[in-house]
Amino acid sequence: DGGITQSPKYLFRKEGQNVTLSCEQNLNHDAMYWYRQDPGQGLRLIYYSQIVNDFQKGDIAEGYSVSREKKESFPLTVTSAQKNPTAFYLCASSNPRGGGYQPQHFGDGTRLSIL
Amino acid sequence: QQPVQSPQAVILREGEDAVINCSSSKALYSVHWYRQKHGEAPVFLMILLKGGEQKGHEKISASFNEKKQQSSLYLTASQLSYSGTYFCGTFSSGSARQLTFGSGTQLTVLP
Repeated sequence: DGGITQSPKYLFRKEGQNVTLSCEQNLNHDAMYWYRQDPGQGLRLIYYSQIVNDFQKGDIAEGYSVSREKKESFPLTVTSAQKNPTAFYLCASSNPRGGGYQPQHFGDGTRLSIL
Repeated sequence: QQPVQSPQAVILREGEDAVINCSSSKALYSVHWYRQKHGEAPVFLMILLKGGEQKGHEKISASFNEKKQQSSLYLTASQLSYSGTYFCGTFSSGSARQLTFGSGTQLTVLP
């Protein structure tokens, strides 16, 4: 079955540490997205990528970095510059050929906490 | 700019109906609706396009009023499985292909 796999499900970060969240999809989608969700709030866009080797900042990119070396993979690094990283992180993908007319498919998320 | 959802929360008895609204200050190209269970990933429900179309899936339907820049989600004869948080996501002019989500409406269906 096609889908999006995020790992790990739970992650703990120490002060001053960078951590990387994995996102892999086998839906053959061109576009991939990273969202942050805080308790009781909606989804805020961190970064998105429409094509391999290209990505754009979303609304809250500060303290985060991404890469898109393969179509299937879009890892997110939470750097030490992100002072409040505790949140639920969701990765999504879609076929952008239809612009805003295609649904986004989400992974099961990674819950990041500070030690 | 984030679309505004209302109400923020609603509690129903099984079999009752509910309406969730989503409004934007920008001209909209499309509106997406998703449902998220606690601690899980959002699940796609439907997309509505410009043209005021109405779509439905079983007892959940939605409308899109392009002129008013609003969409409404209708849940008819609610089931226990409808409980969760409902998000609208909008694509608007100048959104650069980004989906902007509302803050969500928490729906609780009681037996």
